[in-house]
Amino acid sequence: EAGVAQSPRYKIIEKRQSVAFWCNPISGHATLYWYQQILGQGPKLLIQFQNNGVVDDSQLPKDRFSAERLKGVDSTLKIQPAKLEDSAVYLCASSSGQNYGYTFGSGTRLTVV
Amino acid sequence: EDQVTQSPEALRLQEGESSSLNCSYTVSGLRGLFWYRQDPGKGPEFLFTLYSAGEEKEKERLKATLTKKESFLHITAPKPEDSATYLCAVQETSGSRLTFGEGTQLTVNP
Repeated sequence: EAGVAQSPRYKIIEKRQSVAFWCNPISGHATLYWYQQILGQGPKLLIQFQNNGVVDDSQLPKDRFSAERLKGVDSTLKIQPAKLEDSAVYLCASSSGQNYGYTFGSGTRLTVV
Repeated sequence: EDQVTQSPEALRLQEGESSSLNCSYTVSGLRGLFWYRQDPGKGPEFLFTLYSAGEEKEKERLKATLTKKESFLHITAPKPEDSATYLCAVQETSGSRLTFGEGTQLTVNP
């Protein structure tokens, strides 16, 4: 089975610019997650979708971050405007249910200069 | 709030030198404890899920065990290809969010 696809793999932007990341989960996986992983730390959940509805966005900085999952498949995560502390790897993961392990994509490495 | 603490932060072993990684956790109700392996430039790769105290799971040179407050990942006779960061995460009964620890960076020298 194909894995979780993410693009781009790398992105360098200046602070105050905007950026968007794309994720295509494993086919049939209803649950999609976006995690932020700062260098040397474990991943931290930003937002969880069940189909195209938001289940958990309690740790999403909503003043600058937004995410959507149209038609319950692909998802985009946007940052506007970016800050230096947003430099991190943004990981997308999907699962077929809450009792199953996630499958992660390779991530997008964002550098804000 | 869920807390996950992994130790040591970094571990350097010689090939064949067995050791254990620790993951201690605080959670109101545990649905599952997950172990992942992460290689540089890649996303975490699922290894195990443990659901109840006393449970053990094995995969090649890795064995994960679970108690009520911690989990251990035992590595028997490691090889250089076992070098990676090992992440532990907990999932509460109230949802499906995973709360991760900071990871243990394992280096196995030939």
